[in-house]
Amino acid sequence: ETGVTQSPTHLIKTRGQQVTLRCSSQSGHNTVSWYQQALGQGPQFIFQYYREEENGRGNFPPRFSGLQFPNYSSELNVNALELDDSALYLCASSLTSGKETQYFGPGTRLLVL
Amino acid sequence: QQQVKQSPQSLIVQKGGISIINCAYENTAFDYFPWYQQFPGKGPALLIAIRPDVSEKKEGRFTISFNKSAKQFSLHIMDSQPGDSATYFCAASGPGGSYIPTFGRGTSLIVHP
Repeated sequence: ETGVTQSPTHLIKTRGQQVTLRCSSQSGHNTVSWYQQALGQGPQFIFQYYREEENGRGNFPPRFSGLQFPNYSSELNVNALELDDSALYLCASSLTSGKETQYFGPGTRLLVL
Repeated sequence: QQQVKQSPQSLIVQKGGISIINCAYENTAFDYFPWYQQFPGKGPALLIAIRPDVSEKKEGRFTISFNKSAKQFSLHIMDSQPGDSATYFCAASGPGGSYIPTFGRGTSLIVHP
């Protein structure tokens, strides 16, 4: 059984650019959630995907968007990057929507200059 | 609005001592309370979790104490070891939010040898 994987591990972008982060969910999990973790803070929920449909969204602007593919892997896209977008972006998978236990990947560290 | 308040922000304990981290929540609909452990450069990993139908849950050196009437729960790490040095996050979730966890701000624990 493979765990949650994310790519890339680190990324540097400049303000105004666009970025795509990728996540492969744990085997057998059909739900993926994305979180933003600023330095020294707890993870903040961005959105969740269940069977390729968005299934909940946190307090993030529309320039944060996502996709889930038939194999349940997922992408997080951020347009018009701002300096405050610099953070660790975490992906978590769960067995199904509404299940308590989420398994986190190692994250992608994004730095916006 | 911070729905889960965590304290202390940082904690230094000697090897063999007891580490205690406290959390308080506001939403009475929460019915699942996990604790996550995060090492630098890694994603959070589920450590232990409790539901409000019990007042205490113990797994090895880790114990959650839960006080439903006070809307508080705490993590106790007995016989703390240097390898326990990490950031600990409490979280709370419930069925109304599809079990998407609301995280505390984290406690940085350092265990001195």
